[in-house]
Amino acid sequence: AQKVTQAQTEISVVEKEDVTLDCVYETRDTTYYLFWYKQPPSGELVFLIRRNSFDEQNEISGRYSWNFQKSTSSFNFTITASQVVDSAVYFCALSAFSGNTPLVFGKGTRLSVIA
Amino acid sequence: GAVVSQHPSWVICKSGTSVKIECRSLDFQATTMFWYRQFPKQSLMLMATSNEGSKATYEQGVEKDKFLINHASLTLSTLTVTSAHPEDSSFYICSARDGTGTEAFFGQGTRLTVV
Repeated sequence: AQKVTQAQTEISVVEKEDVTLDCVYETRDTTYYLFWYKQPPSGELVFLIRRNSFDEQNEISGRYSWNFQKSTSSFNFTITASQVVDSAVYFCALSAFSGNTPLVFGKGTRLSVIA
Repeated sequence: GAVVSQHPSWVICKSGTSVKIECRSLDFQATTMFWYRQFPKQSLMLMATSNEGSKATYEQGVEKDKFLINHASLTLSTLTVTSAHPEDSSFYICSARDGTGTEAFFGQGTRLTVV
């Protein structure tokens, strides 16, 4: 069975601080996809990144960066120099690599960035 | 990129009535769509998998007679909440994978309030 654990329920930081959101996953699959989504108060899911399991290179996109460690089954997300607009709920998710399969979501981390 | 459109964005209905939510894939054919439910401050939980031309597959604990799913075409899946009750009030969101199973697209979500 697949499982995603986001141990941090809520995080509050002051603007311009860096913040890391943790994600640990469990799967028996040897190949799989990992995702991060942002959910603002409107509810719509905003896609941030998709990573396949055989690509362990870290990725940076502007103020966002992701650290994929297959050895520890973690896919952590760091926001550098946080801004108030980053306040949202962030979900980490996992899916099988092949076929039409659903995503399994973690419980989410609510990030509040205070001005 | 591919888009999944969900309608309505929000709906308020009286207890005992039925509500239909539509999910359309706008520029790709989706043989499979997924329906999730999200209660306040909780994660997205898979309710059912909608298969074009065949019966939907429901997750454990989801009443198939209450949540009717119809996937009559390759671009449209509908979820009907029958005889809605206040406890059905939730955020419902649909999703579809692209043909390669690489991308995952989500609708904008429907916020259902049953009064």
